[in-house]
Order: sequence, then C-alpha cells, then structure tokens
Amino acid sequence: DGGITQSPKYLFRKEGQNVTLSCEQNLNHDAMYWYRQDPGQGLRLIYYSQIVNDFQKGDIAEGYSVSREKKESFPLTVTSAQKNPTAFYLCASSPSSGGAYEQYFGPGTRLTVT
Amino acid sequence: GENVEQHPSTLSVQEGDSAVIKCTYSDSASNYFPWYKQELGKGPQLIIDIRSNVGEKKDQRIAVTLNKTAKHFSLHITETQPEDSAVYFCAASTPGTYKYIFGTGTRLKVLA
Repeated sequence: DGGITQSPKYLFRKEGQNVTLSCEQNLNHDAMYWYRQDPGQGLRLIYYSQIVNDFQKGDIAEGYSVSREKKESFPLTVTSAQKNPTAFYLCASSPSSGGAYEQYFGPGTRLTVT
Repeated sequence: GENVEQHPSTLSVQEGDSAVIKCTYSDSASNYFPWYKQELGKGPQLIIDIRSNVGEKKDQRIAVTLNKTAKHFSLHITETQPEDSAVYFCAASTPGTYKYIFGTGTRLKVLA
C-alpha cells in the first residue's frame, strides 16, 4: 500500500447522508485519483487531480465531490445524490498525471449504505 | 471508446504450473501497460509494467509480453504458488491523458 492511507477501512451510512472518505499520501506525488470498484468489474475513475487546487471529473463523477487543498490530501465526498453508493473505493497517486506513470493504490474503503 | 478486454475471467492452475492472462487494448496510441495484483479486501499492488518501446520484461517468476501490432499484452506467471492466488488487473495508458483503462480482472486460483 506504499505511502497512501485511506480511512476508515469500513464505513456504514444511512441512505440520504453525505459521507467523506479520507485519502492521504506521503509520496510527494502530484497526481491523485479516486476509483470505484464493484464486484466483477474493473476500476472506474471518479475524479482526479493533477495539482493542488485543481481537479477534473472522471467517468462516473455524478453524485461525488472532491477537494485538493493540500498536495498530500484528496478527500472524496459521496453525496446523497449518488444513486448506488455501496462499493469499494480506492484512492491512488502518481508522480504525474501525463500518462505512463505508475499509480500506487491505498488499501481502500468499503462503504455500505442502507 | 477506449477499451481493454481481459481474459480469462477465472483461471485455476495446479501449484507449480504456469498461468497466462491476456489483455487486448483498443487505442493504438497507448504506450504504458501495468499489471496489478489485488488480494481480497486490499488495494491493487503494481507487480510489473511494460512500455511500448520493449516487447518483453521479466521479474523473477513474472513476465509481461507486448505485441503492439496486434494490440495485446500478456502476463505470465511461472512456478505458481498458493500465494499467487488473487485477482489480477491489466491496464493501458495513453500519453497526454490522465487515465488508465482497466481490464475487468482475472481471478487466479492456485491449487495446492
């Protein structure tokens, strides 16, 4: 899992509540990413950030929001607008975002919404 | 759109045998191809990668081959061990873009 931490490992919320997932890295990486993983599927990109105070939507950004106020931190908020939020969420970082760079993943947060 | 197909979805081998997982990508401009191993309940771990300027790369029991003309790349694991059991993902990345396109994963079971 390298220098990327995600907390908590398991998270339970009631439907209609917003929830924020934490991601911190001490690798001095510029780029950070959030992915969603569902059973039997590959990883799908939610949001990414190339530098501090800048971020872009990925393929499935609806119902999610992020911030990048510090280089080492990239929290993800799952809002009540996300129709099917129960999933395994993975944060990753890389030295740069210009493709062809290794992405290193955190241990993940399993979110269950009932 | 860009796509990476990965086969097989599940693979069972006897301990000591070899395992091969194959991926095909659609974007001919892709130039970086990582492979990840994911154990149950954990994040994916990069195990090997290859760039488009080489055709093969080895790291002990693991190797990756790339055929740019056919747009496919493969992961080869020799002398498999029970601890190799996991889900393996391939991915492709294109220069100037921010994203990896991931395959759907292969669940490898090594039978003791």
